[in-house]
Amino acid sequence: SAVISQKPSRDICQRGTSLTIQCQVDSQVTMMFWYRQQPGQSLTLIATANQGSEATYESGFVIDKFPISRPNLTFSTLTVSNMSPEDSSIYLCSVESFGASGGANEQFFGPGTRLTVL
Amino acid sequence: TQLLEQSPQFLSIQEGENLTVYCNSSSVFSSLQWYRQEPGEGPVLLVTVVTGGEVKKLKRLTFQFGDARKDSSLHITAAQPGDTGLYLCAGEGGGTSYGKLTFGQGTILTVHP
Repeated sequence: SAVISQKPSRDICQRGTSLTIQCQVDSQVTMMFWYRQQPGQSLTLIATANQGSEATYESGFVIDKFPISRPNLTFSTLTVSNMSPEDSSIYLCSVESFGASGGANEQFFGPGTRLTVL
Repeated sequence: TQLLEQSPQFLSIQEGENLTVYCNSSSVFSSLQWYRQEPGEGPVLLVTVVTGGEVKKLKRLTFQFGDARKDSSLHITAAQPGDTGLYLCAGEGGGTSYGKLTFGQGTILTVHP
C-alpha cells in the first residue's frame, strides 16, 4: 500500500475564489485519481491524472473548473476554481496499486480535504 | 456505464447482531473491492475479490464474490461499535473503464452498544 497525504485537510473559502489541493504519495505511481464526496455518500470521480499527459475528466467535470497538475510520479494538485457553495464537499485523491490481489486494480486514498464555500 | 447497486443504504443495529451488505450489478467486474471509511478519513481498503465464487474472511467479516462476478456481499458476524462507518463496494472493469473503479452508493452502518 501507499501512504498518501493531502493539504490542506480543510478550508473555508469565499465564493469566487480558488483553492488548490495538494496530494503527495510516498512512492512513484502512474495513475492518480481525484474524487469528490458529500459526507456520508459515495465517491464521484472527477478526473484521472497521469504523469506526462493531460488529465482525463469525467462527464460533468471540466478542466476550466478543476484544473489538475501532475508534475511528477509522486505529486498532483487539483484546483477548484471560481468556487460557489455548491462546491462544498470532501475532495479525495487516490493512487492505484496493481498486483497485490491477482493483478486487481486496488486504490489507496488520501485523508481528504473538506472544503466549505461561503 | 457500469452501475453498482449497494444495499441497504442505512443500517442501525445492536452490538452482537449479524448483518449483510449487498452489491449488485448487471455488469461483469474483473475484481471487486470493499472499503470502510470513518468520518474525517479517506476510504480504507478491506479486501479485494477476484475469482468468481471466491470467499475471503477478515476476522468477523466475510466477503463473497458472485459466481458470475456481477455481485458481492459483505457479512459481519457479531457486530461491534468499532464496526461503525461507511462501507463502500467498488468494481473494476476492463476496456474503456481500465484503471477506474465504479463505486456503490455506500452503506452507513451504526452499531449501538
